[in-house]
Amino acid sequence: GENVEQHPSTLSVQEGDSAVIKCTYSDSASNYFPWYKQELGKGPQLIIDIRSNVGEKKDQRIAVTLNKTAKHFSLHITETQPEDSAVYFCAASSLSSASKIIFGSGTRLSIRP
Amino acid sequence: GAVVSQHPSWVICKSGTSVKIECRSLDFQATTMFWYRQFPKQSLMLMATSNEGSKATYEQGVEKDKFLINHASLTLSTLTVTSAHPEDSSFYICSAIRAGSYNEQFFGPGTRLTVL
Repeated sequence: GENVEQHPSTLSVQEGDSAVIKCTYSDSASNYFPWYKQELGKGPQLIIDIRSNVGEKKDQRIAVTLNKTAKHFSLHITETQPEDSAVYFCAASSLSSASKIIFGSGTRLSIRP
Repeated sequence: GAVVSQHPSWVICKSGTSVKIECRSLDFQATTMFWYRQFPKQSLMLMATSNEGSKATYEQGVEKDKFLINHASLTLSTLTVTSAHPEDSSFYICSAIRAGSYNEQFFGPGTRLTVL
């Protein structure tokens, strides 16, 4: 089955700087890669996703890149703000796995004022 | 659009009792719903896949007789934790795939279960 690895587990950046979180996946059949932000005591919130037919996607300060050959995908947050502090999860899914989403282990992002 | 709710948001129960958690898609029909469990400072672990009108599919290691799932309509799935024990205390989260959507899941706000 699919295995998603995520690094780093914790990340602290100065406000205004960029943050990068990296993930790898194992199943070449995976074709949908969502990223979620989870605040304390709440459910995960989709912040951006990318499908396997696209190499990069951007939404304001957030961007995601995908390298299918290497089975790598990354989240980039620019101009970080205090409200970006949260736990971020990458995930992978494929239609062949009945659309089950397999989550990475999470990255706790802290933005220093 | 694509809002998923859960009820209750938190529950405290005594050991040995059963607890039912509801997951509703408020503004769309969900052919498939998923149930996850999340322990403190850990990731979400998929427990089962719930399809409307059919039996749920459980992940390896999840006891189907302990975690009863009912997906009776296109907008409601329920998870019942039977004979709950302190080790069942966790954050339970559901998600739903909108009918006709390409595997994008919408997550509920979660239910905090504490078993005394």
